[in-house]
Amino acid sequence: QVTLRESGPALVKPTQTLTLTCTFSGFSLSTSGMCVGWIRQPPGKALEWLARIDWDDDEYYSTSLQTRLTISKDTSKNQVVLTMTNMDPVDTATYFCARLVSGRGYYFDYWGQGSLVTVSS
Amino acid sequence: DIQMTQSPSSLSASVGDRVTITCRASQNINIYLNWYQQKPGQAPKLLIYAASSLQSGAPSRFSGSGSGTEFTLTISSLQPEDFAIYYCQQSYSTLFTFGGGTKVEIK
Repeated sequence: QVTLRESGPALVKPTQTLTLTCTFSGFSLSTSGMCVGWIRQPPGKALEWLARIDWDDDEYYSTSLQTRLTISKDTSKNQVVLTMTNMDPVDTATYFCARLVSGRGYYFDYWGQGSLVTVSS
Repeated sequence: DIQMTQSPSSLSASVGDRVTITCRASQNINIYLNWYQQKPGQAPKLLIYAASSLQSGAPSRFSGSGSGTEFTLTISSLQPEDFAIYYCQQSYSTLFTFGGGTKVEIK
């Protein structure tokens, strides 16, 4: 059974760095074709893809946020960590991690429940 | 980046109606288009991948079609549990993008 769970602070101050952890089970990020991605959703708005890390350590970032994002993985702990620097109130959103599989293209087949992060002083 | 445009942004329909949602890509994305359903307070759920492949566990009343730049998601007979927001997402580019969503509401 595949599960993912996001964890991190619910509240961060402007200019601070956000660190979110995705802890997963039911698959291994050392398996060829496996990836984990991060997606966010501001309240009442659409989904926005942020970053992804692949089984072979390749990393990809949203063009608009790439200077602020870093994604990493700890295969032994089944965790993926996303850091976002210089947080701003517009970054208030629910942050999801999801398993990304490759086959006929790439698709997010399992998602965590999301972690609401509010940016406020 | 590839832009994904969904239409309509919202629609009202009745139980039993046939519903079609369109997603257009700003450039050719072959068949690398996925559809997700999201209900309030929940994470998105994968319905269709690679434009027309039904995800395991998704009801057969959902179907997808298209290739290149234009894609559709069809619900053959709308059920009460289908009232939700639907998103398309391209994976042709390594930089993924989602559409703006289509909210399906009860008429």
